[in-house]
Amino acid sequence: GESVGLHLPTLSVQEGDNSIINCAYSNSASDYFIWYKQESGKGPQFIIDIRSNMDKRQGQRVTVLLNKTVKHLSLQIAATQPGDSAVYFCAENSGNFNKFYFGSGTKLNVKP
Amino acid sequence: DVKVTQSSRYLVKRTGEKVFLECVQDMDHENMFWYRQDPGLGLRLIYFSYDVKMKEKGDIPEGYSVSREKKERFSLILESASTSQTSMYLCASSTRDVSNQPQHFGDGTRLSIL
Repeated sequence: GESVGLHLPTLSVQEGDNSIINCAYSNSASDYFIWYKQESGKGPQFIIDIRSNMDKRQGQRVTVLLNKTVKHLSLQIAATQPGDSAVYFCAENSGNFNKFYFGSGTKLNVKP
Repeated sequence: DVKVTQSSRYLVKRTGEKVFLECVQDMDHENMFWYRQDPGLGLRLIYFSYDVKMKEKGDIPEGYSVSREKKERFSLILESASTSQTSMYLCASSTRDVSNQPQHFGDGTRLSIL
């Protein structure tokens, strides 16, 4: 079956440092990936997405890298701020009618 | 910005009750979804709908049903609530396109079944 997982359940970083959150997926047919941020008491918020025809995509302070060879996805957050503290999870889609499979999440703690 | 609104943030019900969770989106999205979120398990898809009056089972539909009478509204129904259905419930919507599009989520309903 398909699975989406994260390597680290909790990540603590110092304010101003860069953060890297990782995600592994098992379905080589997956062609669309999303990173979500979920703050306490709120629903998941879309951060950035990437399609399988790309290796890298950049947003504001965030970069997503896709390595299809090893089925690995990462989210890089530059100059991490206290407001970045949240749970981050990835989602993959294999073209099946917008159905996504979600990872269980990594909690990012930003220390001031 | 997409706005997905879930009618209740917190809800407490009793075992055996029929429970309705409501979700409304204001972006004219065709697709709507109901998930439950439990610690360590991630989001699991209960039901989804790609059009009015259409519904499809997700990965864990047992004990649930849904209703989509209007495009903007998608209701989740717990026919006879059980304690195992205590969870965070998340509604999402997305537009239908030739390529996949992100789903946009509401802030969730934390449901406790006593």
